[in-house]
Order: sequence, then structure tokens, then C-alpha cells
Amino acid sequence: AQSVTQLDSQVPVFEEAPVELRCNYSSSVSVYLFWYVQYPNQGLQLLLKYLSGSTLVKGINGFEAEFNKSQTSFHLRKPSVHISDTAEYFCAVKPSNFGNEKLTFGTGTRLTIIP
Amino acid sequence: EPEVTQTPSHQVTQMGQEVILRCVPISNHLYFYWYRQILGQKVEFLVSFYNNEISEKSEIFDDQFSVERPDGSNFTLKIRSTKLEDSAMYFCASRGKQGGTEAFFGQGTRLTVV
Repeated sequence: AQSVTQLDSQVPVFEEAPVELRCNYSSSVSVYLFWYVQYPNQGLQLLLKYLSGSTLVKGINGFEAEFNKSQTSFHLRKPSVHISDTAEYFCAVKPSNFGNEKLTFGTGTRLTIIP
Repeated sequence: EPEVTQTPSHQVTQMGQEVILRCVPISNHLYFYWYRQILGQKVEFLVSFYNNEISEKSEIFDDQFSVERPDGSNFTLKIRSTKLEDSAMYFCASRGKQGGTEAFFGQGTRLTVV
């Protein structure tokens, strides 16, 4: 079984400041890792994903995340946030073996940008 | 850009009534999913569907729930006799074939059971 921990339920950040949203996971098998964003009254949109290869992955809207296998982490970062980044961010994992379809989500981090 | 669409966006139903939540996945996708998010809680997996049958389901997905792909475009979730605790946001998702590891989500249906 897999589990995902997002320790910060809410993160307030001033506009143009950097931000890091933390994600740690637990799994007995190798996994793919994802960050999804949910803007107010909208569905889940994929920000970025890690499948294999380079541990630093870049996504949409200037976000990036780094996979750290030894620390079982996949923290999301952005060097300078905008008001439009206000949203809920979800980290998720999925076993990489074929046939296992279930995405396991964390509880989410609400990012609030302060003007 | 292709997207997953869900209807209705909000459904209110009385306890004990049957509801059907509808989804139109991205065309040519082969894997289909339902997830739910109870207010203030995490997004939870309900069921995955491939090749016209359930491939995996969670313990939440009991006999009150069923899924169907009645034609080539729709994917539905039926709750036979709704309970208050079924109130949640329900998300449909779809995924393409081999190599397409990401699931695309719809905007969700907010189900309120009163």
C-alpha cells in the first residue's frame, strides 16, 4: 500500500516570493509521482510528474519538483509566485507496475498568495 | 484541448434515492476512474474500469455503487440508495493507452445528500 503525507495544510506566501510545498510518501514498490492543482471551483489539473530519469522535473506555470529517493520526498517549488497561483495543491503516487491503477493522494496544501 | 466533462456540476438528492453521475472521458482513452473528495478530506480512489470491466476497486466501493460504460462515450457512477455520508465531490478521470501514465480529471460533481 502507498501513503502520501503533505505536512502543511495551508501555506501563505507574499507575491513574488519563493514557495516550497512539501510531500513525503511511503511505498513498498516503486512509484510514479505527481503534483495536481485544483483552482477554485475547478477540477484537478496535472502540474508535473516524475516517472524516471532526472530527479528534477519541470511542470507548467513555472513549477518544478525534485524527487529524493532516500528521503522519499517530492517537494514542489516555485521561485516567484503570482496571485494566480492561489489554489489547492495535491501530491499523489501510483505504483509503476502495470495493472495497478490507483492514485493515492495526500490531503492537499492550500496555497494563498498575499498581495 | 480535449477534456473530461462531468454532469451535473451539482446534484442534491434525498437520502435513500438513487443518483447517476455522468462523465464523458477523453475520446480514445481506455482507462476510466472515479474518485471522491469529502469536504475537507483527501481525494480517495473509488474504482478503475478497463476493457468493459472493473479492474480495481476500493473498500469504499461497496454494493451500493456501480459503474457502467453504456455506449462509446459515457462513463457513469450509480449510487443505489444514497446516504448522508455519500455527500462529496466526485471526480471522473481517464487515461490513454500505453505510455500515458497521467490521468486527466473532470471538474467534478458535487453531490449533496439531504
